[in-house]
Amino acid sequence: IQLTQSPSFLSASVGDRVTITCRASQGISSYLAWYQQKAGKAPKLLIYAASTLQSGVPSRFSGSGSGTEFTLTISTLQPEDFATYYCQQFNSYPRTFGQGTRLEIK
Amino acid sequence: EVQLVESGGGLVQPGGSLRLSCAGSGFTFSHYSMNWVRQAPGKGLEWISYITNTSSPKYYADSVKGRFTISRDNAKNSLYLQMNSLRAEDTAVYYCARAFDLWNGYYIYTVAHDYWGPGTLVTVSS
Repeated sequence: IQLTQSPSFLSASVGDRVTITCRASQGISSYLAWYQQKAGKAPKLLIYAASTLQSGVPSRFSGSGSGTEFTLTISTLQPEDFATYYCQQFNSYPRTFGQGTRLEIK
Repeated sequence: EVQLVESGGGLVQPGGSLRLSCAGSGFTFSHYSMNWVRQAPGKGLEWISYITNTSSPKYYADSVKGRFTISRDNAKNSLYLQMNSLRAEDTAVYYCARAFDLWNGYYIYTVAHDYWGPGTLVTVSS
């Protein structure tokens, strides 16, 4: 299963609302997770099962979707949110990732 | 506190072998399935292998199948990745990641990787 994220690069300002899309090459029900990765660090789980917020993750992050189209939304960007975001599917093996979306400060 | 710490990375020549380890603490290691994920320099994440808490079944990405072997020792709270016939394209930071499983009343299914180690760098070069 291929996952395609869009956009690959996003420039935004503190306080903006941003949305990242992840499209699957075939239906994966709700078996999708989102991660945040900062430079030189391991990924951090944000959302699982497409829309469930991981414990401790700020509520400005939200996820939606099922089947083949999913979105990650950050409602009000904070300085610490500038990072790279990845989706990953858990419908089948291999557990593929999207190519990533790099979110930078405008 | 859940902790995962990888070790064993380094510089190896093409065709060589390396064994990575991942030590888990702060949780009951024997209850969790585990994964290896890698990231080539400046590139995205690539899932490469999975092992259940009982060591069977195991799954691999096509890119490493037949060359890499995942294993674990629950008595030592450790996960391993034996890497043989290494190639330049295997150069990456290797992460171990814990599987986050849910029970729906019928079966257990993985929904994410909830904890990750800091990674260990493997460089394949002559």
